[in-house]
Amino acid sequence: NAGVTQTPKFQVLKTGQSMTLQCAQDMNHNSMYWYRQDPGMGLRLIYYSASEGTTDKGEVPNGYNVSRLNKREFSLRLESAAPSQTSVYFCASSDDDSSGANVLTFGAGSRLTVL
Amino acid sequence: AQTVTQSQPEMSVQEAETVTLSCTYDTSESDYYLFWYKQPPSRQMILVIRQEAYKQQNATENRFSVNFQKAAKSFSLKISDSQLGDAAMYFCAYRSEGETSGSRLTFGEGTQLTVNP
Repeated sequence: NAGVTQTPKFQVLKTGQSMTLQCAQDMNHNSMYWYRQDPGMGLRLIYYSASEGTTDKGEVPNGYNVSRLNKREFSLRLESAAPSQTSVYFCASSDDDSSGANVLTFGAGSRLTVL
Repeated sequence: AQTVTQSQPEMSVQEAETVTLSCTYDTSESDYYLFWYKQPPSRQMILVIRQEAYKQQNATENRFSVNFQKAAKSFSLKISDSQLGDAAMYFCAYRSEGETSGSRLTFGEGTQLTVNP
């Protein structure tokens, strides 16, 4: 039971390079999310996808693009990486539950460093 | 927009003792959900406990309980009989009940808990 799987776990980029973070979930969840975690700032939502075929901006979308490839997969792309994008990135998924809380399940995180 | 504040960047507790982590939030909504997540050194985010705002009874999960004060917009986490494995970063999070799509969370800044043997 893998849950939410993110790759890669670690990546070092040079300023201006591009890369894609991959995320897949095997829980048949409708909604998926990308958060970034920075010291002293908690987790902030970059983009989310409420269902297959839809994506919406979160709190800090600038410099990122996303693709909801299918129900399982939700990728995050940095087209031209900047040092300000050095962070730990988390993918998460959720589905409707009877309580309405729709608890998120998180991946293990991807540490990205932009030099 | 909702905000979540954790005013204690770091806390420490002796093993077997009790510790309380504070969280306050700002919202104009009456229905919402509150969560505490734990992030150990492995980085994995783990749900500790959740509270529905419409429930007056405080949530409890084994050694973890909350003190939910809706009028004061306060949501503290109490850890009883602290164990070494409780050492982690703890995040308080808010989710609006009115969301029609997805389950976007607003997180606090986190509190780093150290458990001393």
